[in-house]
Amino acid sequence: DTAVSQTPKYLVTQMGNDKSIKCEQNLGHDTMYWYKQDSKKFLKIMFSYNNKELIINETVPNRFSPKSPDKAHLNLHINSLELGDSAVYFCASSQDLWWTSGRYEQYFGPGTRLTVT
Amino acid sequence: QKEVEQNSGPLSVPEGAIASLNCTYSDRGSQSFFWYRQYSGKSPELIMFIYSNGDKEDGRFTAQLNKASQYVSLLIRDSQPSDSATYLCAVNYPITGNQFYFGTGTSLTVIP
Repeated sequence: DTAVSQTPKYLVTQMGNDKSIKCEQNLGHDTMYWYKQDSKKFLKIMFSYNNKELIINETVPNRFSPKSPDKAHLNLHINSLELGDSAVYFCASSQDLWWTSGRYEQYFGPGTRLTVT
Repeated sequence: QKEVEQNSGPLSVPEGAIASLNCTYSDRGSQSFFWYRQYSGKSPELIMFIYSNGDKEDGRFTAQLNKASQYVSLLIRDSQPSDSATYLCAVNYPITGNQFYFGTGTSLTVIP
């Protein structure tokens, strides 16, 4: 009964390939996120979705495309992978947009370690 | 510039001591401040949030906020080996739609 799950846990691929990471939450939350954590542990927001609509799209290369088929799922597709894309990608969810709901808790998935060779 | 700075560490304290973790931020409009704990190889988990100047206590954890100095800290009293982790400070930046921006984290080791 994992709250936020991601697949795969590990992903090793070559430069130039296209890959996807899937995320699902069973918490009934309306908002989901993708974060990237680099080798220095720096955690950076990439995308936020609220009720399947994109709310925030940080300055992320357009090779990264999120897709939310429903409120419980947020997938991340990456085209033309580059060495610099190697990182751990975390999916997270929250009840609502925290600045409207006043609820701050974000629940993180276990992460997907992407290695591009 | 969205900057959240944390002392780089690693920080080592003996068991039972007080661990003090510090964070500064650059946006005077920031209103909400968060501390996450991340064990090695695991995902971050929220341990404290604070949005008013002063202290907020939760068990062995105390968050301290000084908006005038743009400074937030986390104190861990009676440190335990199980507190050994990386602690991430996160701050909202209203100008960018209230997203959280994280610091690079401070690695804490509690020595038995």
